Amino acid sequence: AQSVTQLGSHVSVSEGALVLLRCNYSSSVPPYLFWYVQYPNQGLQLLLKYTSAATLVKGINGFEAEFKKSETSFHLTKPSAHMSDAAEYFCAVRAGGTSYGKLTFGQGTILTVHP
Amino acid sequence: DTEVTQTPKHLVMGMTNKKSLKCEQHMGHRAMYWYKQKAKKPPELMFVYSYEKLSINESVPSRFSPECPNSSLLNLHLHALQPEDSALYLCASSQGRASGRHNEQFFGPGTRLTVL
Repeated sequence: AQSVTQLGSHVSVSEGALVLLRCNYSSSVPPYLFWYVQYPNQGLQLLLKYTSAATLVKGINGFEAEFKKSETSFHLTKPSAHMSDAAEYFCAVRAGGTSYGKLTFGQGTILTVHP
Repeated sequence: DTEVTQTPKHLVMGMTNKKSLKCEQHMGHRAMYWYKQKAKKPPELMFVYSYEKLSINESVPSRFSPECPNSSLLNLHLHALQPEDSALYLCASSQGRASGRHNEQFFGPGTRLTVL
């Protein structure tokens, strides 16, 4: 079974500071990993995905994530936070086999950006 | 068109009502999903349709009844709901299994459901 743990339900940064959102996964097979962002009262938007092609994945809005198998991590980073980055971020793992397509989400991290 | 649309945006219903949520995509995706999201929680999978056939039902109560009339449409029929069913209902779609692609899911904006 797959699972995802997001460390820190709330992260607060100043505008222009580094953003680091942590995600650790557990998977019995090579995982497919995703980061989604959700703005209030909206659906989820895909930021980036890891599909084994490259360990450093670049996404939209300046975000990137690095897959580290030895640490079972897929942390999300952005060098310089912008006020518009304030939202909730979900890390997710996708199962294969008979559960093909099922996404298992972490509990989410709310990012607050201060002026 | 890379959009998943959902109607209505908001729905208020009584416990004896019957209503339906609708989801549509025109990306040629062959897998469609219903998720339920409670406040301050992650989305929880309810159903998956693959090539218009129900492939996953996450032990959802029968008061929720999904339907996939064709590859572009997904409905969720609601009957005799409880107040605890109030939530944001999200639809998503992805390419089908046979595509060999890595199948990221594209989400709609959701329907905010309130059960009185």
